Amino acid sequence: QVQLQESGPGLVNPSETLSLTCSISGASIRSYYWGWVRQPPGQGLEWLAFIYYSGYSNYGPSVKSRVAVSVDTSKNQFSLRLNSVTAADTGFYYCVKSKDWFDTWGPGIQVTVSS
Amino acid sequence: DIKMTQSPSSLSASIGDRVAITCRASQGISNLLAWYQQRPGKAPKVLIYTASNLQSGVSSRFSGSGFGTEFTLTITDLQPEDSATYYCQQYDNYPLTFGQGTKLQIK
Repeated sequence: QVQLQESGPGLVNPSETLSLTCSISGASIRSYYWGWVRQPPGQGLEWLAFIYYSGYSNYGPSVKSRVAVSVDTSKNQFSLRLNSVTAADTGFYYCVKSKDWFDTWGPGIQVTVSS
Repeated sequence: DIKMTQSPSSLSASIGDRVAITCRASQGISNLLAWYQQRPGKAPKVLIYTASNLQSGVSSRFSGSGFGTEFTLTITDLQPEDSATYYCQQYDNYPLTFGQGTKLQIK
């Protein structure tokens, strides 16, 4: 059974970089696509990105100019970096398995952008 | 981008009732649609994929139908644990997009 766990700072200063990591257990990072979905407070879901272990990736339009995702095959982890954050980037961030529909989600991590 | 519109935005129903939630796509997406349930404070959980396929482990009280631009999630014999927000999501085209959600309250 695949399990995902997000980690990273819960508070980020405006204009700085948000960095999150997702640790995978129960599967090799080489076996599937992986991605990120976020949810602003009290709002709906927004797909952000997916990545394959080869580096092949795709990004959502609202973050495309500010985001990068990467993989670390040695640690079986993948990461999200979002630059120049504002209050609009506040919310829950989920790592997910697959690039189409998501059968596995991490529990989520709450990120607040505030000084 | 493909816009997904759910209706209703919220509904209230009683235990044992049958409810239906509709999701409309702004353009045809074949059957490339998933439904998720999100309980308060929890991550979403997939219920249905490819419009009508029940995810393993999900109650058979949940069913999905539709093709093209109109899709329906039906829940029969409502139970207290069905109180949640439900989202549809298309995966025919990138960027992947979700509906705005339907909040289901059990009376």
